Amino acid sequence: AQSVTQLGSHVSVSEGALVLLRCNYSSSVPPYLFWYVQYPNQGLQLLLKYTTGATLVKGINGFEAEFKKSETSFHLTKPSAHMSDAAEYFCAVKRGSTLGRLYFGRGTQLTVWP
Amino acid sequence: GAVVSQHPSWVICKSGTSVKIECRSLDFQATTMFWYRQFPKQSLMLMATSNEGSKATYEQGVEKDKFLINHASLTLSTLTVTSAHPEDSSFYICSARDAQTGGSTDTQYFGPGTRLTVL
Repeated sequence: AQSVTQLGSHVSVSEGALVLLRCNYSSSVPPYLFWYVQYPNQGLQLLLKYTTGATLVKGINGFEAEFKKSETSFHLTKPSAHMSDAAEYFCAVKRGSTLGRLYFGRGTQLTVWP
Repeated sequence: GAVVSQHPSWVICKSGTSVKIECRSLDFQATTMFWYRQFPKQSLMLMATSNEGSKATYEQGVEKDKFLINHASLTLSTLTVTSAHPEDSSFYICSARDAQTGGSTDTQYFGPGTRLTVL
């Protein structure tokens, strides 16, 4: 079975500080991993995804994530937070052989202080 | 990038009435669409998987007679909440899988969501 754990339902950082949102997964087969961002009253926007190949994945808005198989992690980072990064972030996992079915974490609310 | 739209963006209805929500893929064909429900401050809960031209597959615990899903074309899926009650009030989000990319590395594109309030 697949599951996703996002450590910390709320993360607060100052503008310009490092952003680190944690995601651990469990999967019986090599997973495909995703990070989505959701702004208030909006749908989800794909930030980045890992399928195969390079384990460090770069996404939009300066975010990146690294797939670490040994740690079953896919943490999301951004070197310097911006006020516009304040949103809800969801980590999701999909089995490689399963078309479309995503399993979401509970989400992490990112607050950015001026 | 791929765009998915939902209509309406918000709806308020009386208890006992039915509400239809549309999900459209605007610039790609979607053989598979997904319907999610999201409660405040919570994650997305998959309700059902909708395949074009066939019956939807519902997740355990989701009433198929209450949440009717139709996927009549490669660009449109609809969710009808029948005999809505206040407990059905929620944020409903659809997503669509791009049939062109295919394979297991496909990406889901999400709609902006529909806020349903049942009085």
